[in-house]
Amino acid sequence: GAGVSQSPRYKVAKRGQDVALRCDPISGHVSLFWYQQALGQGPEFLTYFQNEAQLDKSGLPSDRFFAERPEGSVSTLKIQRTQQEDSAVYLCASSSSGSSYNEQFFGPGTRLTVL
Amino acid sequence: DAKTTQPPSMDCAEGRAANLPCNHSTISGNEYVYWYRQIHSQGPQYIIHGLKNNETNEMASLIITEDRKSSTLILPHATLRDTAVYYCIVYNQGGKLIFGQGTELSVKP
Repeated sequence: GAGVSQSPRYKVAKRGQDVALRCDPISGHVSLFWYQQALGQGPEFLTYFQNEAQLDKSGLPSDRFFAERPEGSVSTLKIQRTQQEDSAVYLCASSSSGSSYNEQFFGPGTRLTVL
Repeated sequence: DAKTTQPPSMDCAEGRAANLPCNHSTISGNEYVYWYRQIHSQGPQYIIHGLKNNETNEMASLIITEDRKSSTLILPHATLRDTAVYYCIVYNQGGKLIFGQGTELSVKP
């Protein structure tokens, strides 16, 4: 079956623009995660959903970052008034249940470049 | 902050075993050790996990010391496609993975 998909794969934004990044998790997966990966670094946690409920948003770096998953499937990460420091790869992952110990399946990421 | 320490880079000859070490001296009794890898321009990929006992699957083996303060991921016959960054993760409760810097493994012909 299909894995986790993300769109767009690449996004170039001018500083100050708003962007929306989409994640399609594996069908039926309950948990969904967003991570941010700066160049040369490991991924860093942003936020976590279980179905439509956002259970942890402790990693969102500022109030310019907002994530939603209104129907418990597709998720959107929105960044308002983008800054150069937002340039990174944004990774989405899903897992099959709410258990803490299930493996996470990652998408290919969206590479955001803010000019 | 990551709770693990890994060497930044390692080389391995194609066809030989790759042994990737990880220190996790502050691991708690109910925390698992997970390994993921990230091939260039792809998302991380799950490899294996364990709690106390050694584990083996089709990709790798995981050896955890008796005191659980360190572990080793073993790729028994490394191929060029195993070139990647390997992350050792102590699973934080609540679902999120905390990645460190990982080990960049280069498999050379």
